[in-house]
Amino acid sequence: AQKITQTQPGMFVQEKEAVTLDCTYDTSDPSYGLFWYKQPSSGEMIFLIYQGSYDQQNATEGRYSLNFQKARKSANLVISASQLGDSAMYFCAMRENQAGTALIFGKGTTLSVSS
Amino acid sequence: GAGVSQSPRYKVAKRGQDVALRCDPISGHVSLFWYQQALGQGPEFLTYFQNEAQLDKSGLPSDRFFAERPEGSVSTLKIQRTQQEDSAVYLCASSLPAAMNTEAFFGQGTRLTVV
Repeated sequence: AQKITQTQPGMFVQEKEAVTLDCTYDTSDPSYGLFWYKQPSSGEMIFLIYQGSYDQQNATEGRYSLNFQKARKSANLVISASQLGDSAMYFCAMRENQAGTALIFGKGTTLSVSS
Repeated sequence: GAGVSQSPRYKVAKRGQDVALRCDPISGHVSLFWYQQALGQGPEFLTYFQNEAQLDKSGLPSDRFFAERPEGSVSTLKIQRTQQEDSAVYLCASSLPAAMNTEAFFGQGTRLTVV
């Protein structure tokens, strides 16, 4: 079974609009961390935001926020006020406490921002 | 530079050739990871080092893949007798001692094409 599922292969948004990128996860480990990374066409993975399974509040980092719904096992990324530079691939990833230190990535969502 | 550096950026190998991919992590980062990213997919874990010790190599797809980090800094991923299915981007990431919320910093990757 997929550990990380990103069901949106591509998303399109206009500048200054908000966009939500979906991520659901599957784990039986009570302790885990969820990450979102951005991958522009240049190839490097850029860390955006982190949410721990025991965190009571949703994580926020500037224009990025994570809509964490633990019971539904979802960790959607919300980007407010989209910019042209936000166009990239976005990956959701999980680290499970019992499984060690490796990040497990989803297949990604391509976000295209137009003017 | 301050980031993770990978070389070469691009490598074309004939089927059956051996290749060596290099990763220079951020200075002081004890944890180092290798990932394989096929076209249109998310990165998949290959192996993990803490200093010079290879603590997890469960993701290496076959015994043709070998990684080392002899002095706890630079790491090399070697692929022997390359096959077409080895064509992918190989990403290296480094971090401070890996904990649940530790951010991994990625290099730009090496794109390997086996012809």
